[in-house]
Amino acid sequence: ETGVTQTPRHLVMGMTNKKSLKCEQHLGHNAMYWYKQSAKKPLELMFVYNFKEQTENNSVPSRFSPECPNSSHLFLHLHTLQPEDSALYLCASSQDPTSGPDTQYFGPGTRLTVL
Amino acid sequence: GQNIDQPTEMTATEGAIVQINCTYQTSGFNGLFWYQQHAGEAPTFLSYNVLDGLEEKGRFSSFLSRSKGYSYLLLKELQMKDSASYLCAVRDGDYKLSFGAGTTVTVRA
Repeated sequence: ETGVTQTPRHLVMGMTNKKSLKCEQHLGHNAMYWYKQSAKKPLELMFVYNFKEQTENNSVPSRFSPECPNSSHLFLHLHTLQPEDSALYLCASSQDPTSGPDTQYFGPGTRLTVL
Repeated sequence: GQNIDQPTEMTATEGAIVQINCTYQTSGFNGLFWYQQHAGEAPTFLSYNVLDGLEEKGRFSSFLSRSKGYSYLLLKELQMKDSASYLCAVRDGDYKLSFGAGTTVTVRA
């Protein structure tokens, strides 16, 4: 257990569905992240929140919409996805992304399949 | 963009030593991380280097040369449970973390 939980662990959805991924961290961290992990590719940073403010949006399509209501919770709302969006979506948290070693701790991920 | 290279796959025998190399080209440097990821699980933190030299943690060691843009992760006394993907990640001058594609290590009996 890394102190970061994600639900659901697996999700299958059609292209017209709306669904949400949830992440919760129990580490008292201030920053939270969404990554996309596709087979044989590097982790792609999608969004960063620091003290509930979005500080990074890596040109992610608008069909992905993040929400960070507080420092412990992070959501990724999904709408009209494409089959190429099928991947493992990882959430991570860290203490302070602007200083020190600031290790990121990852959740187990949500395996998303878009039909 | 940032460029981080590591081999795709490595195979070794139980009890042996394996060295996973990572080379990087980034805009600035604020540390290098190694993570281990078992299939279907979260990446877990292994090591952090920000100064040149060797960091040792039990059976795992990590080395950094900033002038060469080079790091390696050394796994000693390999065990079957060490079969996993190993991710090299570099934090650049803007404190953004970029990952390599990962090296899948297979340990054989």
